[in-house]
Amino acid sequence: GAVVSQHPSWVICKSGTSVKIECRSLDFQATTMFWYRQFPKQSLMLMATSNEGSKATYEQGVEKDKFLINHASLTLSTLTVTSAHPEDSSFYICSAPPSGRYDNEQFFGPGTRLTVL
Amino acid sequence: SQKIEQNSEALNIQEGKTATLTCNYTNYSPAYLQWYRQDPGRGPVFLLLIRENEKEKRKERLKVTFDTTLKQSLFHITASQPADSATYLCALDVGANNLFFGTGTRLTVIP
Repeated sequence: GAVVSQHPSWVICKSGTSVKIECRSLDFQATTMFWYRQFPKQSLMLMATSNEGSKATYEQGVEKDKFLINHASLTLSTLTVTSAHPEDSSFYICSAPPSGRYDNEQFFGPGTRLTVL
Repeated sequence: SQKIEQNSEALNIQEGKTATLTCNYTNYSPAYLQWYRQDPGRGPVFLLLIRENEKEKRKERLKVTFDTTLKQSLFHITASQPADSATYLCALDVGANNLFFGTGTRLTVIP
């Protein structure tokens, strides 16, 4: 099956710093990628949809200036958490449906654990 | 807004038995529904997709049903094994490949 990777797998940073998380589709192209956030014992909450060649669309309540998304190519999307605070500590997961496939299966990355001190 | 309820937060069953997980949803009519498995600290892994015009779908020891009248999907694992222990998530299609996830059921299969 298709593989999605994320880097880093975990990161610890100080409050006020920015953190970049990469999401790559390794063996397929994805014009769209999705970014989710998951707090402990809660489900995945969609944050934003990353679109190759255009601006990301954000879900209600997600600050676009705080969570910067760049879909640089058909295989790479990045999420930058700017001026991170302890409440941003969470598990961030990306997913991608392969372009041109119509079965709607999505492939998820392994996630990135962000801890803000 | 959409709402999904998965029958219980946790379910314990004996090895060899059939596990049945329930997903109920309201305020939406999805074109399809998906089930995922998530292990601790990992991303979800796709298991099955069932469309609104399908009543049942099977894959090896897995079976999913979809009742659009009841707004419910049932997920069955037959001949359960300890390796099946994980959190199982149902997800609704809300358009444009967007998925809305339930909170999951943590299944533990006891040897």
